[in-house]
Formats: sequence, C-alpha cells, structure tokens
Amino acid sequence: SQQGEEDPQALSIQEGENATMNCSYKTSINNLQWYRQNSGRGLVHLILIRSNEREKHSGRLRVTLDTSKKSSSLLITASRAADTASYFCATVIRSNDYKLSFGAGTTVTVRA
Amino acid sequence: DARVTQTPRHKVTEMGQEVTMRCQPILGHNTVFWYRQTMMQGLELLAYFRNRAPLDDSGMPKDRFSAEMPDATLATLKIQPSEPRDSAVYFCASGLSYSGGRGETQYFGPGTRLLVL
Repeated sequence: SQQGEEDPQALSIQEGENATMNCSYKTSINNLQWYRQNSGRGLVHLILIRSNEREKHSGRLRVTLDTSKKSSSLLITASRAADTASYFCATVIRSNDYKLSFGAGTTVTVRA
Repeated sequence: DARVTQTPRHKVTEMGQEVTMRCQPILGHNTVFWYRQTMMQGLELLAYFRNRAPLDDSGMPKDRFSAEMPDATLATLKIQPSEPRDSAVYFCASGLSYSGGRGETQYFGPGTRLLVL
C-alpha cells in the first residue's frame, strides 16, 4: 500500500515557468524524500526533509513540509527541458524500519 | 563515481524459465532494496536487506520469487518459474543506514527490464 500520494498526476509547463507538485501522506513520518525519474532510468534522490524541518532548498528546488496537514510540496523554479521527468515523494513511516513507501508520482513535461 | 550496478539491463524470456537478476550495491552501503515498477502498480518494494540479513520480503510472491545476498557486494533476485505478469522493470537500490536510523537516502540502479513471453 502507498503512503504518499502526489498531486497532480501530470503537469505541463513552459520552459522558464515554475512547477509545483504536492504530496500527501497518511501516518506520522520520520522524514520525507523527493526523487526524480527520467524516462527509462532509475530514480535519483533530490532532497530529504526531516519531520522537524519546515522548508529546505537545493539549487532550483524548494521543498516544504507541513506535518499538521501531512503534506509536502516540491517547487521547481525556472524550469528547463531537462526537468521533464516523473517526481515521486517517499516517506518513512515511524513504525517501519529503513524502508520507503513511494507515491504514484507526478509526471512533469517542460515545453521548450 | 559510486553507482549501483544491475545486470542484465534487459531480459526477454519465455514463461516457465528461471530469471536471475543481479545487483552490486555501492561499496560500504549496508541496506539493499529490490523494487518492481509497472505502469499499473507503480513502484513496489519486494524485499530488503540490512547487513545482508533479510528484513522484509512481504512484498514478494514467495512461491516463485527469492532474494539473497551471498556477500556484501552482491544481491540477487530470482524468479522461478517466470510468468508473463512478472514483466516489469526491477530496480535495486542501496543505502547506508545507522542503527536506530530510519529510511535514509536510497541510490537506485538503472534497472533490469524484464519481458516474459
């Protein structure tokens, strides 16, 4: 069963625009991670935010976490064609050791 | 540049045949995960190991799937006999976990694309 659910399922934007996607989860978490998957490739870790953090930045990426709403958002600023990919949130449930539960992903298409 | 490697990258086989997929985790990593990805089911965790000990294989069909870590540098996932519904991309991922730690970053391999006819 999936812990995280991303929204929207798909997103199409123009190059240079910002892309925002959200992740909701069900139970208390230890941390939440975002991964990117380019077509036909393995997932690549983007950013990890811990349950006691509210916001984190990495380059053009900004992640927020609201534990009261059990939700997180990933913002990609000034998008590029190379950002075209699927983006997944993954959570660690407190009661489960080490393993991650992945959502279904948001497919982002950046148009040139 | 440390990476998780997986072999083979592609495999086409006939129903009933045995399939073995191999994974070499990043040197020094102590957790290894096997995932399966399909369009219908998304990314599913099949099994994972920590310090070579199997911790959870509840996501794996036990009658036909088996996962092992013969040593710290090799993890295997075997399907015997294979069925068309096993067609998917199988990913291995590794990570470094600390005792008491929870779910640190995972590093994924490129995957094995399996087609069972």
